Amino acid sequence: DIQMTQSPSSVSASVGDRVTITCRASQGVSSWLAWYQQKSGKAPKVLIYGASRLQTGVPSRFSGSGSGTDFTLTISSLQPEDFATYYCQQANSFPYTFGQGTKLEIK
Amino acid sequence: QVQLQESGPGLVKPSETLSLTCTVSGGSTSNYYQYWSWIRQSPGKGLEYIGYIYYTGSTNYNPSLKSRLTISLDTSKNQFSLKLNSLTAADTAVYFCARRSVSVSEDRDCFDIWGPGKMVTVSS
Repeated sequence: DIQMTQSPSSVSASVGDRVTITCRASQGVSSWLAWYQQKSGKAPKVLIYGASRLQTGVPSRFSGSGSGTDFTLTISSLQPEDFATYYCQQANSFPYTFGQGTKLEIK
Repeated sequence: QVQLQESGPGLVKPSETLSLTCTVSGGSTSNYYQYWSWIRQSPGKGLEYIGYIYYTGSTNYNPSLKSRLTISLDTSKNQFSLKLNSLTAADTAVYFCARRSVSVSEDRDCFDIWGPGKMVTVSS
């Protein structure tokens, strides 16, 4: 199985800050990488697919980049509703696997 | 728009079989490039892909669960189901049904619609 490792595990930031979360795959996944946002008690919501393609309806302050083994999710200017846990997921080979999550907290 | 809803028991005894159903509303389970999936989330293992079924009946199962798992589809009812047998405490989790949406031309392969989740506890 492909292991997905996110860093940091948690980050504290303020409204208006720029935040970057990193995801590393144990082997290359090309651009088959998605990012999800999960709020407490809710299902995950897809933000980015294909490493950099914004899901319809997702604000443009979210962006993704990378290919191969190293990927980033950037939130350009944090809004109050962005405080949540973020997960990456590879869709290159089965079984699909997720990162362990990055919890974004209010400073 | 398309919505998914899980249903089934919240408490199951060890060694028994878990049966969950996902009802799809606002859309069809017979569409091309849409794969009806199960994912679970536990504190110890995070998000774990369980498997999917396609409208043709083809399935893909996580090898870690394959020997205990069956996913089925009833297109007439717009429902798909999960059966997981020989349960242990390690199967305690929130179980999500989700739609996997694929488009190679768009580099798209993601779980784009999720049910709210069903908490399942395995305990005697």
